[in-house]
Amino acid sequence: SQQGEEDPQALSIQEGENATMNCSYKTSINNLQWYRQNSGRGLVHLILIRSNEREKHSGRLRVTLDTSKKSSSLLITASRAADTASYFCATDHTGNQFYFGTGTSLTVIP
Amino acid sequence: SAVISQKPSRDICQRGTSLTIQCQVDSQVTMMFWYRQQPGQSLTLIATANQGSEATYESGFVIDKFPISRPNLTFSTLTVSNMSPEDSSIYLCSVLTVNYGYTFGSGTRLTVV
Repeated sequence: SQQGEEDPQALSIQEGENATMNCSYKTSINNLQWYRQNSGRGLVHLILIRSNEREKHSGRLRVTLDTSKKSSSLLITASRAADTASYFCATDHTGNQFYFGTGTSLTVIP
Repeated sequence: SAVISQKPSRDICQRGTSLTIQCQVDSQVTMMFWYRQQPGQSLTLIATANQGSEATYESGFVIDKFPISRPNLTFSTLTVSNMSPEDSSIYLCSVLTVNYGYTFGSGTRLTVV
């Protein structure tokens, strides 16, 4: 399967701590995307990183991509209670088909 | 996984007109969503289609431009109203199920001329 796999499945941290989530995949990609899903809502795009990029930043978010290991990580720094959500990676292998992982459920405790 | 039938698969429309896209799921699902995707780009969530009530729109999207219906748990429509060339994109419906996670329709490729 080309589906990405996130770990951990669940993560609980204190507000102010950093949260790191990992995503692994099996076949080569065009790009990899991270999404957030708040309870009862749809997926919201966070960051897209292309296969020729190694790191991208967006505010408190930092994404790395290691194509040799077929893995990516999402780091949320200085977490806030509002960051509580499920986070998904999605891999784009063909340019028009995304494969979503099963997600990491993040709980930030105030 | 849930099977989604999305129609039409593509269309070329005149500016100022409207297009309604249909999304039919083979099983009852709680969550249905509509996304827009520029080719090779990431998904942009338009709205969450709520059964029996008004859809929940994301920032930058309004009901007058993208009216959504969801009369039951297996069907939804998205209308792109008063189209302009900037609306040219791929539109996708998606469902979320407990067992299978996210499933996406095959998309509607819209070109506005």
